[in-house]
Amino acid sequence: EDKVVQSPLSLVVHEGDTVTLNCSYEVTNFRSLLWYKQEKKAPTFLFMLTSSGIEKKSGRLSSILDKKELFSILNITATQTGDSAIYLCPGRFKTIFGAGTRLFVKA
Amino acid sequence: KAGVTQTPRYLIKTRGQQVTLSCSPISGHRSVSWYQQTPGQGLQFLFEYFSETQRNKGNFPGRFSGRQFSNSRSEMNVSTLELGDSALYLCASSFRGSGTLGQETQYFGPGTRLLVL
Repeated sequence: EDKVVQSPLSLVVHEGDTVTLNCSYEVTNFRSLLWYKQEKKAPTFLFMLTSSGIEKKSGRLSSILDKKELFSILNITATQTGDSAIYLCPGRFKTIFGAGTRLFVKA
Repeated sequence: KAGVTQTPRYLIKTRGQQVTLSCSPISGHRSVSWYQQTPGQGLQFLFEYFSETQRNKGNFPGRFSGRQFSNSRSEMNVSTLELGDSALYLCASSFRGSGTLGQETQYFGPGTRLLVL
């Protein structure tokens, strides 16, 4: 059965800390992955990763994919309270979601 | 460009009733996917429509159905509502959806929050 496993499930940090969120895939026909951030409402797109080993960056956020190991990490440096959200990484054509990582950044 | 819109935003129904939710994708997008999100189960895929045809289906009972119109707008119907159907229902649109083997992003609507009493 295809699945996406995210870890940790929840995380509480202080502003300024750096966090690493993990996403591993047990899916068939793996092609690419996306990272989403969900605050109060709908998920918003962060990154799409299609190539192994190439880091994508957007401000304080960065992500990298290991296609061989079917593993991805999302790094957030110098965290801010606005980073508090659930982070999702769907797999298999966006039909399978993990439980998400709930990040809470304390002021 | 307008984003994905969903109506209604909130809905309260009683057990046994049926409900229809609507989703209008971003202009030009032909793929619409529906998801159910609950605190216990997280985000779960319901189905995807592309050019008026259901292309993918998740693991939900037959009470959950959908359709897509020629203008790409989509509706989702849940019949014989159960308490466990209380959830946030999200739809997301993209140009080609799973036809791109996952290599395109999708944009989510604000969701319809359904409460079944």
